[in-house]
Amino acid sequence: GDSVTQMEGPVTLSEEACLTINCTYTATGYPSLFWYVQYPGEGLQLLLKATKADDKGSNKGFEATYRKETTSFHLEKGSVQVSDSAVYFCALSQTYGGSQGNLIFGKGTKLSVKP
Amino acid sequence: DVKVTQSSRYLVKRTGEKVFLECVQDMDHENMFWYRQDPGLGLRLIYFSYDVKMKEKGDIPEGYSVSREKKERFSLILESASTNQTSMYLCASSLAGLVSTDTQYFGPGTRLTVL
Repeated sequence: GDSVTQMEGPVTLSEEACLTINCTYTATGYPSLFWYVQYPGEGLQLLLKATKADDKGSNKGFEATYRKETTSFHLEKGSVQVSDSAVYFCALSQTYGGSQGNLIFGKGTKLSVKP
Repeated sequence: DVKVTQSSRYLVKRTGEKVFLECVQDMDHENMFWYRQDPGLGLRLIYFSYDVKMKEKGDIPEGYSVSREKKERFSLILESASTNQTSMYLCASSLAGLVSTDTQYFGPGTRLTVL
């Protein structure tokens, strides 16, 4: 079945460091891909998404490119801030049958940014 | 802005109790979802509903049931709570139909402890 694999955390960075969180997927068809973020004590909120191959999603300085050839959707940011400390989830949206539109999540990567 | 609210942020129940978790969304969304979130496991889909009085099993429906009597409200029911149902429960909603590109909007979560 469909699945998402993202890098294990926790990840600890200093402020202004570069961030990459790896995400790869296995899917039937052509799923949409998402990054959700969960700040401490809150629910998940959409960070960015891409709905077809070679699309780049971007928001708040984060970006990710839908790479069909490597089945990847890595999250990147050039300079992280303390306020970026959160748990990041990669997800795909199924495209077939009765599960179309349902999200499959990775296990999450906790990011801590130190001043 | 879409708002998804959940009836309780924290809940403590005893083994064998019947537990109701309520979720309300205010944007006329057709689809609603219940997930549980556990450390190291990410989010797993329990049930979803794409219309009033309609429900579909997700990946882990055992021990749970749901009710959707009104479009804006989706309830998760633990008929007889057990300690292995101690978890964070997240409700989400999305626009309409089963569309793979749609964003899901999440509530803040209910942290349930079963003693």
